[in-house]
Amino acid sequence: EVQLVQSGAEVKKPGESLKISCKGSGYSFTSYWIGWVRQMPGKGLEWMGIIYPGDSDTRYSPSFQGQVTISADKSISTAYLQWSSLKASDTAMYYCARGKDGGISDYWGQGTLVTVSS
Amino acid sequence: EIVLTQSPGTLSLSPGERATLSCRASQSVSSSYLAWYQQKPGQAPRLLIYGASSRATGIPDRFSGSGSGTDFTLTISRLEPEDFAVYYCQQYGSSQGTFGGGTKVEIK
Repeated sequence: EVQLVQSGAEVKKPGESLKISCKGSGYSFTSYWIGWVRQMPGKGLEWMGIIYPGDSDTRYSPSFQGQVTISADKSISTAYLQWSSLKASDTAMYYCARGKDGGISDYWGQGTLVTVSS
Repeated sequence: EIVLTQSPGTLSLSPGERATLSCRASQSVSSSYLAWYQQKPGQAPRLLIYGASSRATGIPDRFSGSGSGTDFTLTISRLEPEDFAVYYCQQYGSSQGTFGGGTKVEIK
């Protein structure tokens, strides 16, 4: 059974750093893209970027380029999304998802809620 | 960046009725990389349709997708109580993905 299990909710202060994770199981982790999607409170879905764990090829949405870093450790089948300096506007639910056809996602993690507040 | 515009924003229908949701792209999208998702409150999105018209695993045949180029449609032939949710279209092309703003299908 394909599963993506994300790390737990985080509460951070503005300016702090953060790295959230997404662990894949039940399939060949290195053979599928993993994408990240943001959903701000009460809003729609936003495509952030994707990574191919097999060779770490990474693509970013222009809206998120330079704002976050997507990475993966194929030895532990885990993808990451990280911030070096959080802002209150980063408060959102973040989903990881497996790329069926590149950026089209067939399996989704349960989401990680990130709250940034002073 | 390709912009996807979904309409209507909200669709008020009764169970058993037909729902027709539209997704229009600012430029031509490869049908191979056009998908539809369903999201219910407090849940992650679920893939319904990929390749513009192929149903994902386990998706009932009352859901169908069609279209090409810049105009795509998701049709729910007869709404079941569990179909009331928000629906998003998404495209992936030239190493970039974008989602539409969503259509909420609510009970009338």
